[in-house]
Amino acid sequence: SQWGEENLQALSIQEGEDVTMNCSYKTYTTVVHWYRQDSGRGPALIILIRSNEREKRSGRLRATLDTSSQSSSLSITAAQCEDTAVYFCATDEGTNAYKVIFGKGTHLHVLP
Amino acid sequence: DPKIIQKPKYLVAVTGSEKILICEQYLGHNAMYWYRQSAKKPLEFMFSYSYQKLMDNQTASSRFQPQSSKKNHLDLQITALKPDDSATYFCASSQEWVANSDYTFGSGTRLLVI
Repeated sequence: SQWGEENLQALSIQEGEDVTMNCSYKTYTTVVHWYRQDSGRGPALIILIRSNEREKRSGRLRATLDTSSQSSSLSITAAQCEDTAVYFCATDEGTNAYKVIFGKGTHLHVLP
Repeated sequence: DPKIIQKPKYLVAVTGSEKILICEQYLGHNAMYWYRQSAKKPLEFMFSYSYQKLMDNQTASSRFQPQSSKKNHLDLQITALKPDDSATYFCASSQEWVANSDYTFGSGTRLLVI
């Protein structure tokens, strides 16, 4: 598998808190995708960060990519209840830059 | 308006029967994919198509057959259905067939095999 064990997690935080979710992967990758999936819906891409980028922001979201440690993180600043979702990271398969493989996801629950 | 339409949204099938899952995308993308999501496994890659050509097949079973009648269509035919096939099947597309392209997913077809 491309993914490390810490990718499977459930987190509960209070509204207004900051949260960081982490992914580690085992082989070289050219890109990390971050998706959110709301209950009953398909995954929606929120940030795509390429191997030549160390950080990427989108509103309250910030993704980082550390190719030396083969890890990526997604941070949400001042989380809101509507941020409750499952967050997945996904990458290519190292030797196969044409297939996106998903990690197990982090269930984030933001409490009011 | 949904950019990727999957039909039906829910599907109940009898063991041994055959079903077709429909996917149409209106994004003008050249690559399309099928993924499966079940309670036991994370989103699992099944197939990728580029310009209506099969590029990658990660399903072990020939019971799963993608069909692309038009560039923006990628249906999934499943034969001899088994209860283990119960899952949500997601269609996705991207502009080009490369991992560093933005993927857009449909809302899925939830299949229950009894």
